[in-house]
Order: sequence, then structure tokens, then C-alpha cells
Amino acid sequence: SQKIEQNSEALNIQEGKTATLTCNYTNYSPAYLQWYRQDPGRGPVFLLLIRENEKEKRKERLKVTFDTTLKQSLFHITASQPADSATYLCALGPTDAGGTSYGKLTFGQGTILTVHP
Amino acid sequence: NAGVMQNPRHLVRRRGQEARLRCSPMKGHSHVYWYRQLPEEGLKFMVYLQKENIIDESGMPKERFSAEFPKEGPSILRIQQVVRGDSAAYFCASSPGGPQHFGDGTRLSIL
Repeated sequence: SQKIEQNSEALNIQEGKTATLTCNYTNYSPAYLQWYRQDPGRGPVFLLLIRENEKEKRKERLKVTFDTTLKQSLFHITASQPADSATYLCALGPTDAGGTSYGKLTFGQGTILTVHP
Repeated sequence: NAGVMQNPRHLVRRRGQEARLRCSPMKGHSHVYWYRQLPEEGLKFMVYLQKENIIDESGMPKERFSAEFPKEGPSILRIQQVVRGDSAAYFCASSPGGPQHFGDGTRLSIL
């Protein structure tokens, strides 16, 4: 069966450092991968989407890589701030023939990131 | 531009009662998804709907659970004869195609 693992249940880092979160998957060939942020008592907030034919995507202090050979995605937050503290979720999904992402997402368990001042 | 609206935010039911959870998607979004988050577990897909159609219900329990997305009005997730194991946070997401945007969920508690 499909399995997604986010390698760290919790990650603690110092303000200003780069946080690196890992997402590994097995028995799945996703067309795209998404990263979300979830704060306590709130719904997930979309951060970045990367397609299977893309190696890297950036948005401000965020960077995502997607290695379909290793079946792994890395999510980086550079110059981390205490406000970045949250649970980060990776999610995998299919696509349609036109390349647009549709359909159910399969989520990892999440990594709780704490950035200490 | 309002986000995905879910109500109620908190719902308490006694065993055997019915629970109705509502989701209003973002304007212009015709795809709606429901997910469940059990305590200490990740988000699990339940059902994917487009207007008046169920596209994928592979994550829905076979009994007691149903979902609809009518031509007019919000999407409804309905749980009949609730049991303690139904206690969870239920999240709705909408999309025009592309990334899914989530509401803040309905927290269902069963007494």
C-alpha cells in the first residue's frame, strides 16, 4: 500500500538557521507533491507545489526539491524565524492529462517544527 | 476574497444522533474535498465532489457516511447514528483545479 513518511516527528532549530524537512514515499508514483503548513486548531495552508518533472521550486525563504528516483522531497526554510513554528505536511497526488493537479491528496504525518529565538 | 468556510466549528452530538457538516468553497472553485483528522493521526481523504457529482468516494466508510455538493448551496458531509470513533476534525478543501485550499475544520465530539 502507499506509504508516506516524514522523517522527523519534531524538529527544533535556532532562529536564523535553515530548517530541512524530509518526505519519503513508497509504492506510489505521484505526479505532484505539495507542502502545507498547519497551525494548532487551524486547517492546512498551501505553501508550494512541485511537479514530477520539476527538480526544485522556490518561494521567498522556502525551497522544495523533488527526486522521483529516490522517492523523496526536501523542504527547506532559510533564515528561520519563531513565526515559522508549525506542523508541516507533505502531500502527494495524481494529475490529469492536462497536467493540472486533481484528485485526492495522501498526506504524511507531519513534522512539528519549533524555531527557538 | 473569502476562504473556505466550514460550519459549525465545533459540534457535539450524542451517540446515535446525526451530524451535518457544511462547507462553502471559495468563489469560483467547483472541486470540493473532505478529509478527516483523527487524534494523533494524519489527514485522511474521504471524498471528492464536483457540483452534483461524487468523483471519488474511496475514503468514505461504507455505512453511515454520505456527502453531497448540490448545484446551489454548500457541500454537506452527513454522518448518521454517530459513534464515539467518529470524534475527529473534519476538513473541507476546495480547488479550481490545482492546489487545494482548506477551511479551518469542524471538530466533532461524540458524548
